[in-house]
Amino acid sequence: GQQLNQSPQSMFIQEGEDVSMNCTSSSIFNTWLWYKQDPGEGPVLLIALYKAGELTSNGRLTAQFGITRKDSFLNISASIPSDVGIYFCAGQLTSGTASKLTFGTGTRLQVTL
Amino acid sequence: GAVVSQHPSRVICKSGTSVKIECRSLDFQATTMFWYRQFPKQSLMLMATSNEGSKATYEQGVEKDKFLINHASLTLSTLTVTSAHPEDSSFYICSGHKAGAGGYTFGSGTRLTVV
Repeated sequence: GQQLNQSPQSMFIQEGEDVSMNCTSSSIFNTWLWYKQDPGEGPVLLIALYKAGELTSNGRLTAQFGITRKDSFLNISASIPSDVGIYFCAGQLTSGTASKLTFGTGTRLQVTL
Repeated sequence: GAVVSQHPSRVICKSGTSVKIECRSLDFQATTMFWYRQFPKQSLMLMATSNEGSKATYEQGVEKDKFLINHASLTLSTLTVTSAHPEDSSFYICSGHKAGAGGYTFGSGTRLTVV
């Protein structure tokens, strides 16, 4: 099945640093979602974006829905050890319905003290 | 918030046997349930979509006779891996969607190991 391309694939950063990751698609999505997955757990929703160009924050997290509707980025400011995990973007074609999600390839984040 | 309870969290079974995984939406009615498979260090790949009371729709390449999905009620969906083989070893995750609410709630996953 289709997957969205995420970059970077993995990153090691120091505590306190800012993190940026992005997600690109060859096709348009009408909703972009960002999830975090801890080892052995299911994904947990961080931010949902519903409009092209939309910029949304959730605490230290900020995400934007690309104007072309083919990309999105997620920023994490002042990283802390509990930010460690795998971050996935997901695109949904039809907002507000139970249409399937297409997941990105994931960005593995590791934070060193 | 919405919670989906998935059981078991881990299961080890012998080749050739069948394993059932359950997902229950505890505080909402999941009209649609999605089942994913995730191999180590990979992303979630959708296996099938099931609507309550209907037959599941399987993604290309997923064998419907091997991965039996039942969504008989608005709060319970099951995935049965039949005649399991070692290559079926994976992390299986369900996700429930409430009609009209627009959100997806994921279960905590089931680690299946076939020996």
